[in-house]
Amino acid sequence: ETGVTQSPTHLIKTRGQQVTLRCSSQSGHNTVSWYQQALGQGPQFIFQYYREEENGRGNFPPRFSGLQFPNYSSELNVNALELDDSALYLCASSLAGGPQHFGDGTRLSIL
Amino acid sequence: EDQVTQSPEALRLQEGESSSLNCSYTVSGLRGLFWYRQDPGKGPEFLFTLYSAGEEKEKERLKATLTKKESFLHITAPKPEDSATYLCAVQVTTGANNLFFGTGTRLTVIP
Repeated sequence: ETGVTQSPTHLIKTRGQQVTLRCSSQSGHNTVSWYQQALGQGPQFIFQYYREEENGRGNFPPRFSGLQFPNYSSELNVNALELDDSALYLCASSLAGGPQHFGDGTRLSIL
Repeated sequence: EDQVTQSPEALRLQEGESSSLNCSYTVSGLRGLFWYRQDPGKGPEFLFTLYSAGEEKEKERLKATLTKKESFLHITAPKPEDSATYLCAVQVTTGANNLFFGTGTRLTVIP
């Protein structure tokens, strides 16, 4: 059984640029959630997708957007990058109501 | 406002020295409480889900318990490989099925 995979593992961008992060969910999982984890903090919920529709959103501005595809993989897009966007971005997949299983994240650094 | 507080922030134990980590929570309605383990540079690894007060789950040297206000993760006779950050998260009955995390307890087990 393949777990959650994320790409790329590391990324360096400059302020104002745009970035796309990718996530392949665990086989059979139809729900994908994205989290931002700053150093020394717990993950913070960005949004969740269920069957290609946004199913909930945390306290993040509209420049954070996402997609879920028919195969349940997902993308996180961030526009107009700011220095505070530097963090580990985590993707988690689950069956509706079940425990969320995380990938190893994308480390995003903004210069 | 939903809140999760973990204590202590950091804990150093000698190998074989048992202890407990605490997760206290204040939520509008609890759907489930989750424990994860996170190693440096990795995503959180799912350990347990607890749904109702009085419930207990065990896995090797770890045992999680739940009351109406807090959860404990008991570590019996820890080994150096148990060193990690342990994260507690709650899922509430309203909104999306997202996880609301505490800031974690960083555990170091010394040989």
